[in-house]
Amino acid sequence: NAGVTQTPKFRVLKTGQSMTLLCAQDMNHEYMYWYRQDPGMGLRLIHYSVGEGTTAKGEVPDGYNVSRLKKQNFLLGLESAAPSQTSVYFCASTQVDPTNEQFFGPGTRLTVL
Amino acid sequence: DQQVKQNSPSLSVQEGRISILNCDYTNSMFDYFLWYKKYPAEGPTFLISISSIKDKNEDGRFTVFLNKSAKHLSLHIVPSQPGDSAVYFCAALQGGSEKLVFGKGMKLTVNP
Repeated sequence: NAGVTQTPKFRVLKTGQSMTLLCAQDMNHEYMYWYRQDPGMGLRLIHYSVGEGTTAKGEVPDGYNVSRLKKQNFLLGLESAAPSQTSVYFCASTQVDPTNEQFFGPGTRLTVL
Repeated sequence: DQQVKQNSPSLSVQEGRISILNCDYTNSMFDYFLWYKKYPAEGPTFLISISSIKDKNEDGRFTVFLNKSAKHLSLHIVPSQPGDSAVYFCAALQGGSEKLVFGKGMKLTVNP
């Protein structure tokens, strides 16, 4: 099992450009999450999904959109990138479980110039 | 308002000694707590957890203590090893919620 994978690992964008980050999991997990990690800010939830075809806003959703067309994939989109979106993005997934032990991907480092 | 707080950004200890990482929370509805460990350029990995019905959970060198009345939990690592050097995140879960609430993390350095 590959677990949770993220594509790409690194990306540099110019302000105003768009891109999509792909998260894939092969553990048949129902829940999937997108976080961003910034220095001194910990992990902040952007959007999440509790099942195929569902999405919900997290703590910092502005400027991002998501889609969960397939259970194993969770896409994070930036329609018009801004320097404030420079961050490391982590995807995570978990089974429907009261403990919510989340499995994380390796991260995508995004720089917006 | 930050619901999960890790007030110390860093801790440095000698190999073989005890490391104590602290976490405070404000939401009394949290009923499950987790610790994650993160190495540079990697995603966080689950370390240990505790339910609010317990006050201690132990897994090898790692022990988590929960003091519900003080809304405080701590992670003890004994003995500390250089490979434990990482950023540690405390996280909390409210029953019925699908979302973990993370603290800002604490960087632990274990010196040989």
